[in-house]
Amino acid sequence: QQKVQQSPESLSVPEGGMASFNCTSSDRNFQYFWWYRQHSGEGPKALMSIFSDGDKKEGRFTAHLNKASLHVSLHIRDSQPSDSALYFCAARAHTGYQNFYFGKGTSLTVIP
Amino acid sequence: AQTIHQWPVAEIKAVGSPLSLGCTIKGKSSPNLYWYWQATGGTLQQLFYSITVGQVESVVQLNLSASRPKDDQFILSTEKLLLSHSGFYLCAWSLGDWGVYEQYFGPGTRLTVL
Repeated sequence: QQKVQQSPESLSVPEGGMASFNCTSSDRNFQYFWWYRQHSGEGPKALMSIFSDGDKKEGRFTAHLNKASLHVSLHIRDSQPSDSALYFCAARAHTGYQNFYFGKGTSLTVIP
Repeated sequence: AQTIHQWPVAEIKAVGSPLSLGCTIKGKSSPNLYWYWQATGGTLQQLFYSITVGQVESVVQLNLSASRPKDDQFILSTEKLLLSHSGFYLCAWSLGDWGVYEQYFGPGTRLTVL
């Protein structure tokens, strides 16, 4: 069973629009959540982390975490064509090198 | 600044042939190191992790092995490739084990097994 589930699988937004990604985990041991972005042919890069309930904003990116429902989201405002990529949600338990799980990813296309 | 280098960039290999992929991290001493496998357009599956030289732990069994011969080097290998080994192999490092630490990924190696 996939421990980290993402939706939607793919997403298209117009340039300047808002892109929203959702992630739900099934393991209450998860305490640390990350969003990674991967452009085609490259390795993933971390966008932002969120460890506490509520919102966290970094520039055009806002993450939201609800630990009670194990739901985390990412929103990108003023989307740019360069934001077109695969977005992964990743979750970690408190400790344990192997306890790092990625979701299946959401493919974002920003249409100029 | 830390840099992570993976080699080769891409490989095309025959089923049953051996494989060796490498990863080097410069500018950071004693990093935690990881190997990941990614199917085309798919999720990342953690394969191995290493805390220190000579110590490697397996996360999943995929007929692959890993070694850390030097502090800054991580090697992924197998004696016999399977078709299912095709995919994108990524090396990553982090400062520590705790979930607060970001993982930094290399550029990856694209492996095609025919």
